[in-house]
Amino acid sequence: DSGVTQTPKHLITATGQRVTLRCSPRSGDLSVYWYQQSLDQGLQFLIQYYNGEERAKGNILERFSAQQFPDLHSELNLSSLELGDSALYFCASSVAASGGDTQYFGPGTRLTVL
Amino acid sequence: GENVEQHPSTLSVQEGDSAVIKCTYSDSASNYFPWYKQELGKGPQLIIDIRSNVGEKKDQRIAVTLNKTAKHFSLHITETQPEDSAVYFCAAKIAVGNEKLTFGTGTRLTIIP
Repeated sequence: DSGVTQTPKHLITATGQRVTLRCSPRSGDLSVYWYQQSLDQGLQFLIQYYNGEERAKGNILERFSAQQFPDLHSELNLSSLELGDSALYFCASSVAASGGDTQYFGPGTRLTVL
Repeated sequence: GENVEQHPSTLSVQEGDSAVIKCTYSDSASNYFPWYKQELGKGPQLIIDIRSNVGEKKDQRIAVTLNKTAKHFSLHITETQPEDSAVYFCAAKIAVGNEKLTFGTGTRLTIIP
């Protein structure tokens, strides 16, 4: 158990809908990272937040957004969902923002868009 | 940006034998290289990592070697056991200024009893 929690574990929805994925980092970790894992793209970095502020952006679509709250939990919002958005979404956390910090991954949310 | 290539994509070894997975990276500024193990239905779990000021690191049956000149690093698992069966991912990161981990495409390791 990494100490990172994610809810829900599974999510099934229809095209065009909007969903919110939630992540709680390990106690004491200030950075949260979101990754998407699909069969054809592997593990792709989406976005990072550090202590409530956006720190780095990766291959995140404009239909996706994220935020980190004062209690350090983070939410990833996916809107206007398409079939291709079906994937595993992982959250990871680390203590600080940089310096080669170890990132610890949560168990993931499996999103299925029908 | 950084690009990480990983080989092989699948690997089967007899229980007790060694397994080696290799990765190459493109950005010479990368200086942090973790390895993750992902079991079915679970998130990636860090098993070992190495920083660029070190050429080799060992933790019991697992070792990682880094060749910065050639820009490649490898995972070595000795005395393999059935519970080593999983998908293994290498990754690379520039420790300062760019926080994202760039992952390899993964190696599915199967240990044959």
